[in-house]
Amino acid sequence: DAGITQSPRHKVTETGTPVTLRCHQTENHRYMYWYRQDPGHGLRLIHYSYGVKDTDKGEVSDGYSVSRSKTEDFLLTLESATSSQTSVYFCAISRDETNEKLFFGSGTQLSVL
Amino acid sequence: KQEVTQIPAALSVPEGENLVLNCSFTDSAIYNLQWFRQDPGKGLTSLLLIQSSQREQTSGRLNASLDKSSGRSTLYIAASQPGDSATYLCAVGGTYKYIFGTGTRLKVLA
Repeated sequence: DAGITQSPRHKVTETGTPVTLRCHQTENHRYMYWYRQDPGHGLRLIHYSYGVKDTDKGEVSDGYSVSRSKTEDFLLTLESATSSQTSVYFCAISRDETNEKLFFGSGTQLSVL
Repeated sequence: KQEVTQIPAALSVPEGENLVLNCSFTDSAIYNLQWFRQDPGKGLTSLLLIQSSQREQTSGRLNASLDKSSGRSTLYIAASQPGDSATYLCAVGGTYKYIFGTGTRLKVLA
C-alpha cells in the first residue's frame, strides 16, 4: 500500500472553530489532493497541490485553505468550521497528473456540531 | 463541465455470476479513467487505470473497457465472490483533475 497517513482519523469540533487536517506521504509523489465524500455527491475535489508551495482550488474550495511547505505534508484548514463541512475527508497522491494511479489515505471523519 | 454517472447505484448478485458495472461521462476530452474499490469505512483502492489511448485493461478477474467516443466505461467482474462486495467508483481524469461518479454498491451473496 502507498504510504499515506491522515491525521486525525476522527474529530468532533464546534461551529466557528478552526480545524486543520494533515496528510503525510512517504512516496515522494508530486501531486497531493484533498477530497470530501458525502452521500449523494460522491467525492469532490477541495484543493490540490502540484509541488511545494504550489496549490490550486478544486470544485468545492470555499471555506477551506491548504498549505504544502514540504513534499511529504499537505495540510487542509477549515478556517471557521460550519455544520455543512461535516464529512469524510480523503487525501490522495499521484506521481504525475495524467498517467499514474491515484492513491488514497484512510480518511478523516469530521463532525462539526 | 464534466459529469460522471454510475448506474445502477446498487446491485446484488449470487456468487459465481459474471457482472458488468457501468460508468458514463459527458466530456470525451479525458486523460484517463480509473476504477476504484471502497470498503465500508475505508479509503479507495485503485483497481485499474485506462489511459485515453487504450481500449481496455485487465487485472485478474477484472476487465475494464473505455469507449471515449460514446463516453462510456465498463468494469467486468468474472466469477464474482462474496469478497468482491464493496462500492465501486469510477473517476475520469482531465484538466479538471479527477471527477468521480457516486459509485455502485455491490453485494455478492454466498
